[in-house]
Amino acid sequence: IAGITQAPTSQILAAGRRMTLRCTQDMRHNAMYWYRQDLGLGLRLIHYSNTAGTTGKGEVPDGYSVSRANTDDFPLTLASAVPSQTSVYFCASSDFSGALTQYFGPGTRLTVL
Amino acid sequence: DQQVKQNSPSLSVQEGRISILNCDYTNSMFDYFLWYKKYPAEGPTFLISISSIKDKNEDGRFTVFLNKSAKHLSLHIVPSQPGDSAVYFCPTTYTGGFKTIFGAGTRLFVKA
Repeated sequence: IAGITQAPTSQILAAGRRMTLRCTQDMRHNAMYWYRQDLGLGLRLIHYSNTAGTTGKGEVPDGYSVSRANTDDFPLTLASAVPSQTSVYFCASSDFSGALTQYFGPGTRLTVL
Repeated sequence: DQQVKQNSPSLSVQEGRISILNCDYTNSMFDYFLWYKKYPAEGPTFLISISSIKDKNEDGRFTVFLNKSAKHLSLHIVPSQPGDSAVYFCPTTYTGGFKTIFGAGTRLFVKA
C-alpha cells in the first residue's frame, strides 16, 4: 500500500504558467487536504474536500483551485503561477472530514521564477 | 494572527537527555492536540495526540502534557535519540472540525 503519492517531486515553473500538482491516495479516505509549507509559517491549509464531489476553501485559497472527481484523486491547480507560490506543497487525507489524524504525502517542491 | 505558536525555532539536546518541545494556542475551542514529526523531503507523520479531557498522554518515550488554563502543551522525549532529529509540529483542531491549525514547527537536533 503506497498511502499518498504526489507528483511531481519538484518543479521549476515560469511565472504566468499553469501547473497542476497531483495527489492520489489508496486508503479510500473520504477527506483530502492541500497544505503549503513556508519557513516560519508552518503548514497552511489551501483547500480541502470532505468527500468526492465537494471542495472547500482553507486559510490561503487565492490563486489555487481543486477538484475531487473521485475518492482517490485530489489535484491542485495554479492557473497562473506567481513567485509567492514558491513553496512545498503537501497533500493529506483522513478517514473522514473531522477525523483527527491526517496522513501526508511526501510533498512537491515548487519554485516559481 | 497565529493561533498556534511554537516560539522556539530550534532546540539542541544531547543524546540520552530529555527533549522538551513547547506549543501555545489561543483558541479555547480547540479540544484536540497532536504532535507530528517531519524529516527532510518527507511529509509529516503523526506521533502522539491528546484530547482536552486529559492532561497527559504517554506512548513509549513520548509524553504530551496539556495545560488547558494556560493554553499550553508540551512534548517530552525521554531519552532522546539521534533519530529523533526532525521538525516537530503541534497542530490543533476541534472535534468535528475539518481545519487543523499548524504552528511554525521546532527543529530538534539530538547530538550523539
